[in-house]
Amino acid sequence: DAGVTQSPTHLIKTRGQQVTLRCSPKSGHDTVSWYQQALGQGPQFIFQYYEEEERQRGNFPDRFSGHQFPNYSSELNVNALLLGDSALYLCASSLSSGRSGSAYNEQFFGPGTRLTVL
Amino acid sequence: AQRVTQPEKLLSVFKGAPVELKCNYSYSGSPELFWYVQYSRQRLQLLLRHISRESIKGFTADLNKGETSFHLKKPFAQEEDSAMYYCALSTTGGFKTIFGAGTRLFVKA
Repeated sequence: DAGVTQSPTHLIKTRGQQVTLRCSPKSGHDTVSWYQQALGQGPQFIFQYYEEEERQRGNFPDRFSGHQFPNYSSELNVNALLLGDSALYLCASSLSSGRSGSAYNEQFFGPGTRLTVL
Repeated sequence: AQRVTQPEKLLSVFKGAPVELKCNYSYSGSPELFWYVQYSRQRLQLLLRHISRESIKGFTADLNKGETSFHLKKPFAQEEDSAMYYCALSTTGGFKTIFGAGTRLFVKA
């Protein structure tokens, strides 16, 4: 099991463009969370997907959207890119304890996608 | 407000010395607290969680609800402990995790 995988590794875009980042969860996991990590900062929660629905969202504008597929993989889309969107984007997967969730479930992180907006 | 604060960006200690990485949190509900670690050129990974009350690689962390703290401690630091450490809080149900800004631990020989 390769664990959580993310693609691409690096990406360079210009302001105003749109980007799609992809994540495949660890085998057996059904929940995917996305984080933005700016340089020198901790990961900031963007949103979490479970059963193909957004279950919780952090303080990010609607330009950030996502999707989860039946095979539990996920995409993060960012529209109208701004310079401030430049960051490392992390995907984490976990096994949910059903709709009520569980705070105890360990998250497994991917290597991240480094997005640079020029 | 939901917040995790790690007051030290960098902590440098000598090998064999005790180490304490501080973490304070703000959350109105009943949080679950975690410590994640990132070694050089590796992924972010779970070190320990409050609910397990376990010791991992000699590290322990005690939840102090009165002081809203979850400090990470190790009595004798090793060079291989050098890494970035993040304190994290999961909200009810675990649907959202809030990370601190992280503390870089450097253990000198």
